[in-house]
Amino acid sequence: QKEVEQNSGPLSVPEGAIASLNCTYSDRGSQSFFWYRQYSGKSPELIMFIYSNGDKEDGRFTAQLNKASQYVSLLIRDSQPSDSATYLCAVNAGGTSYGKLTFGQGTILTVHP
Amino acid sequence: DVKVTQSSRYLVKRTGEKVFLECVQDMDHENMFWYRQDPGLGLRLIYFSYDVKMKEKGDIPEGYSVSREKKERFSLILESASTNQTSMYLCASRELLGIDTQYFGPGTRLTVL
Repeated sequence: QKEVEQNSGPLSVPEGAIASLNCTYSDRGSQSFFWYRQYSGKSPELIMFIYSNGDKEDGRFTAQLNKASQYVSLLIRDSQPSDSATYLCAVNAGGTSYGKLTFGQGTILTVHP
Repeated sequence: DVKVTQSSRYLVKRTGEKVFLECVQDMDHENMFWYRQDPGLGLRLIYFSYDVKMKEKGDIPEGYSVSREKKERFSLILESASTNQTSMYLCASRELLGIDTQYFGPGTRLTVL
């Protein structure tokens, strides 16, 4: 069973701080990694993706991937109350998987003013 | 922009009814997916389709069936709704050009009484 594990939280950070969200995965052959944000009552929305080891930055968001250790993380700098949401880590095994994603359970992030 | 639509945002049905959930995408995607999302259980894959009339079971197909007669439309069918099928149902479509990942529709909150 391929697994993706996240700390469910809730993770609470003050406004302006860095929020750090972590994810580990079990399938060593996984090829691509995604972070989705889901507001309460809404559907998941893609915010970051990463394919290669290292860091990838997009505005206030940085995704980090370490394939040797099988973990991927998301850093949110200068956190805002509007960042309060559930963050889902998703992993694509690649190959002929038809784009199937394995999702973690999600981490609830609360940014308080 | 990828656009995935679902026929209803909220639906209330009675036990034993046959329920149809419709999903439409406008990007000529080949792969489409149906998930359910429940608190504490995360996103679970029910069925997916990799082409017209082609389908495969996901992790929790029991009590569900699907239909894909046209490329843009993927339907989830609850043959005889039960109270344990009360859930949020999410449809997703796979974008291959550019970022190879899934984009979600707005979701249908189904309540079975």
